[in-house]
Amino acid sequence: NAGVTQTPKFQVLKTGQSMTLQCAQDMNHNSMYWYRQDPGMGLRLIYYSASEGTTDKGEVPNGYNVSRLNKREFSLRLESAAPSQTSVYFCASGGGGIGNEQFFGPGTRLTVL
Amino acid sequence: GQSLEQPSEVTAVEGAIVQINCTYQTSGFYGLSWYQQHDGGAPTFLSYNALDGLEETGRFSSFLSRSDSYGYLLLQELQMKDSASYFCAVRASGGYNKLIFGAGTRLAVHP
Repeated sequence: NAGVTQTPKFQVLKTGQSMTLQCAQDMNHNSMYWYRQDPGMGLRLIYYSASEGTTDKGEVPNGYNVSRLNKREFSLRLESAAPSQTSVYFCASGGGGIGNEQFFGPGTRLTVL
Repeated sequence: GQSLEQPSEVTAVEGAIVQINCTYQTSGFYGLSWYQQHDGGAPTFLSYNALDGLEETGRFSSFLSRSDSYGYLLLQELQMKDSASYFCAVRASGGYNKLIFGAGTRLAVHP
């Protein structure tokens, strides 16, 4: 089992460009999440999907859109990248069990110039 | 709103015991989790407390006091590999599966 996979690992964009971050999980989890992590800060929830076909905003959704393509895949799109979106992006999935343990992908390091 | 507070940095020596505190403020509370993250890596789950008391998992223990809105992570017999950032997180109200994370505590273990 690969767990949670993310592509790409690194990306550099110019201001105004768009891109989609891909995430897939093979643990048959219902819930999936997108977080961003900035230096000295914890993980902030951008969007989440409690189950296939549903998505909801988290703490910092502005400038992002998501698609829950199927149970396995949850993508994050930046329509018009801004320097403030320079960050490390983590995708996670969870089975919703006790403690709602979440399993994280390796992250995407995004720089917007 | 919801917020969590934890110290930004803690330093300790190999073999010692260290306690990382976390206080939280939430409109609804289901439980407190702890995650570990090594530099350049992804967060990994360590423990979860839904009820008051101590949960022990090997060298790591986690404690919760719901009445004090307080918890801590206790790391014993510290090893160099324990140098990492540790995050507390609460299950958010209004979304049973959502977690809200603290800013993290960076633990440096020295020889």
